[in-house]
Amino acid sequence: KAGVTQTPRYLIKTRGQQVTLSCSPISGHRSVSWYQQTPGQGLQFLFEYFSETQRNKGNFPGRFSGRQFSNSRSEMNVSTLELGDSALYLCASSLTGTGDSGANVLTFGAGSRLTVL
Amino acid sequence: DQQVKQNSPSLSVQEGRISILNCDYTNSMFDYFLWYKKYPAEGPTFLISISSIKDKNEDGRFTVFLNKSAKHLSLHIVPSQPGDSAVYFCAASLTGGTSYGKLTFGQGTILTVHP
Repeated sequence: KAGVTQTPRYLIKTRGQQVTLSCSPISGHRSVSWYQQTPGQGLQFLFEYFSETQRNKGNFPGRFSGRQFSNSRSEMNVSTLELGDSALYLCASSLTGTGDSGANVLTFGAGSRLTVL
Repeated sequence: DQQVKQNSPSLSVQEGRISILNCDYTNSMFDYFLWYKKYPAEGPTFLISISSIKDKNEDGRFTVFLNKSAKHLSLHIVPSQPGDSAVYFCAASLTGGTSYGKLTFGQGTILTVHP
């Protein structure tokens, strides 16, 4: 079956702009999580959605937001971009998001590489 | 506060030998642990996991050991192959509560397996 698909794969923005990233989970997966990966901070949890509801949120400013649609596809948005937002943004999906068994682990997409100039 | 630590940034091993990657955690509430492998320009790929009620889990060449009292886990790869060369991330989670979709990752260890 198809894996987690993220678009776009690469994008360049300038400070102050906003960006929207898209994620299509594995078919049947209803939980979608987003992570930011930077060289300094590593992989950091942004938020998780299930049935169009945000159930969990990491320690990021309000400029970072997301949503999930009825078909489980998800988008994340970053407004008023800063240089420090340059990162690899990873989307992951799982059946329920509870992560309590080998059958319910997160499967990651290839990521969207954002560069802010 | 880094709750999951991988203290070795890199590890170099000869093909056919054992690779041992280590991970320490500080939060005793973590009850599920995972290892992911990551190649450049790809997302992390799930390798193996272990619940806190176990101390060992095997899957082919990969074995994960968990020492709860020491808050330490390790990944053993036997025998190591050049295709295993990648960045390995240890991750921990809290299940059964409200930590939906959240994994706490270590900083990663770059494994290089020489032919």
